[in-house]
Amino acid sequence: DAGITQSPRYKITETGRQVTLMCHQTWSHSYMFWYRQDLGHGLRLIYYSAAADITDKGEVPDGYVVSRSKTENFPLTLESATRSQTSVYFCATSPTGAVWNSPLHFGNGTRLTVT
Amino acid sequence: KQEVTQIPAALSVPEGENLVLNCSFTDSAIYNLQWFRQDPGKGLTSLLLIQSSQREQTSGRLNASLDKSSGRSTLYIAASQPGDSATYLCAVLHSGNTGKLIFGQGTTLQVKP
Repeated sequence: DAGITQSPRYKITETGRQVTLMCHQTWSHSYMFWYRQDLGHGLRLIYYSAAADITDKGEVPDGYVVSRSKTENFPLTLESATRSQTSVYFCATSPTGAVWNSPLHFGNGTRLTVT
Repeated sequence: KQEVTQIPAALSVPEGENLVLNCSFTDSAIYNLQWFRQDPGKGLTSLLLIQSSQREQTSGRLNASLDKSSGRSTLYIAASQPGDSATYLCAVLHSGNTGKLIFGQGTTLQVKP
């Protein structure tokens, strides 16, 4: 049972480049989330999705794009990477219709460095 | 705007000690409060979830309490062990925000053998 797989685990990219972080889940959970974790800011929600083809902005969506054509995948794209997007990115999921009383399940994260 | 605060930011205790981690939130209109554990270089692992109508939840040596009216939660760890060393984060699911957890910045715990 792989659960949530994030790829790559580490990524170094240059300012201005486009980069996509992948998230794949094997549980068929309805809800999927992207968080970034930074010292001094904790975890902040970037985007989330309630189901395939349904996405919504979180707290810090600027500079990011998401899509969800399939339930199991929720890629996060940085259209033109900036140094301020250097962070650790976490994907999380929650079961269908139970976001209120089910905990989030997190992937192991992608550490992104923008030079 | 909901804000979540965890105090202290870091804590070091000898093995075997009972300890309490604190979490406070500014808006009592929450659906639930969750406690997570994060090991270095890893994702978050859910420890306990307390529904807004509940007062506490227990799992093994862990006990989490919730006082919505005062905007506080505590995580009690009994008989601490070196393996408990990690960062502990609390998060609230704010009413009206679908699935949007608001996180505190965490308490980093070190349990010394």
